[in-house]
Amino acid sequence: EDQVTQSPEALRLQEGESSSLNCSYTVSGLRGLFWYRQDPGKGPEFLFTLYSAGEEKEKERLKATLTKKESFLHITAPKPEDSATYLCAVQDYGQNFVFGPGTRLSVLP
Amino acid sequence: GAVVSQHPSRVICKSGTSVKIECRSLDFQATTMFWYRQFPKQSLMLMATSNEGSKATYEQGVEKDKFLINHASLTLSTLTVTSAHPEDSSFYICSARVPIWDNSPLHFGNGTRLTVT
Repeated sequence: EDQVTQSPEALRLQEGESSSLNCSYTVSGLRGLFWYRQDPGKGPEFLFTLYSAGEEKEKERLKATLTKKESFLHITAPKPEDSATYLCAVQDYGQNFVFGPGTRLSVLP
Repeated sequence: GAVVSQHPSRVICKSGTSVKIECRSLDFQATTMFWYRQFPKQSLMLMATSNEGSKATYEQGVEKDKFLINHASLTLSTLTVTSAHPEDSSFYICSARVPIWDNSPLHFGNGTRLTVT
């Protein structure tokens, strides 16, 4: 059974304090790993797709990396507007998506 | 591109009534749409997969007679919560994928906050 866990559950950072969020997964066959950002009361917003170990993607202050067992979302010099819940999901070869519980990020000014 | 629109964003209804939620893909055709439910501070729980022109596929434990899904066109899926009860109060989110390749991401609507009084 595919499983996705995320850590930490919640993270508070000062503005400018870089950090990383972790997504660990077990999947029968990885078709893709996805990162989403979700603001309160909104649907998830797609950020990145990673397909194979060693791949990296960047968008503004965010950088996602992938290994065979986990993915990291690195946040460099975060700003208060980066505060959100970050969700990780995997898709297996059966086309099923499994979401992790998310990391709630708060960036304090 | 890949915009999914969901309506309404909030709805309050009385116990025993039915509520319909619409999900539209605005700039692409979606043969398949997905309906999720999300409880506070929890992740997304897949309720059902909506297939254009055929019956929806429900996840284990989801009552198909309570959560009616209709996918009548390539851009519209609806979820009707029938005979709603307070325990149905939740955040419902739909999603769809651009069907170009098999590992394209899910794109989500902005969700519907349902409150049953």
